Amino acid sequence: DIQMTQSPSSLSASVGDRVTITCQASQDISNYVNWYQQKPGKAPKLLIYDASNLEAGVPSRFRGSGSRTDFTFTINGLQPEDIATYYCQQYDKFGGGTKVEIK
Amino acid sequence: EVQLVESGGGLVRPGGSLRLSCAASGFTFKNYWMNWVRQAPGKGLVWVARISSDGTSPSYADSVKGRFTISRDNAKDTLYLQVNSLRAEDTAVYYCARWGGLQLDAFDIWGQGTKVIVSS
Repeated sequence: DIQMTQSPSSLSASVGDRVTITCQASQDISNYVNWYQQKPGKAPKLLIYDASNLEAGVPSRFRGSGSRTDFTFTINGLQPEDIATYYCQQYDKFGGGTKVEIK
Repeated sequence: EVQLVESGGGLVRPGGSLRLSCAASGFTFKNYWMNWVRQAPGKGLVWVARISSDGTSPSYADSVKGRFTISRDNAKDTLYLQVNSLRAEDTAVYYCARWGGLQLDAFDIWGQGTKVIVSS
């Protein structure tokens, strides 16, 4: 049973900062990781699929990378509207989430 | 517009039942596998159940196996989740989510969620 370990669980950064979130799989999953954004009271939204592919309409400041067991999600230039919780996901497993706040 | 709209949530006593529905529009529903994902208050996302495009291959998280049943009516473009023997720990917002398929191997479309509260 694959586990997805996401870190950190929360972070605080300033507008314009680069924000990095990591997700580690318990076994080799190739590039099968997706990243979602969930704003308070809203449904999750797909941002990145297959580790590095940007979903249509998603701003290019959102990036994904990694393969096998180690994956990274980056926001290049944090914006106020990026305040949300971010989740990695592989098949039927989600990471625990990372709450991103503005400093 | 591609859309999923859930309904059927509410307040139910422990041991009770509900049927959640998810109405799809804006895409060819019968071509997609569909899922239910839930989120307990203040907690993360948890996958609950999945069903194949033709409805013949359901699968469930261990925590709901034997109590929940996923089904679909492709003629009505609607996904269902029958939830029985409800427990306090089933309290959550339940989202339906489309699996994008081979081209987009992710939950690409989500509904707005329906809230289930299990309490006496």
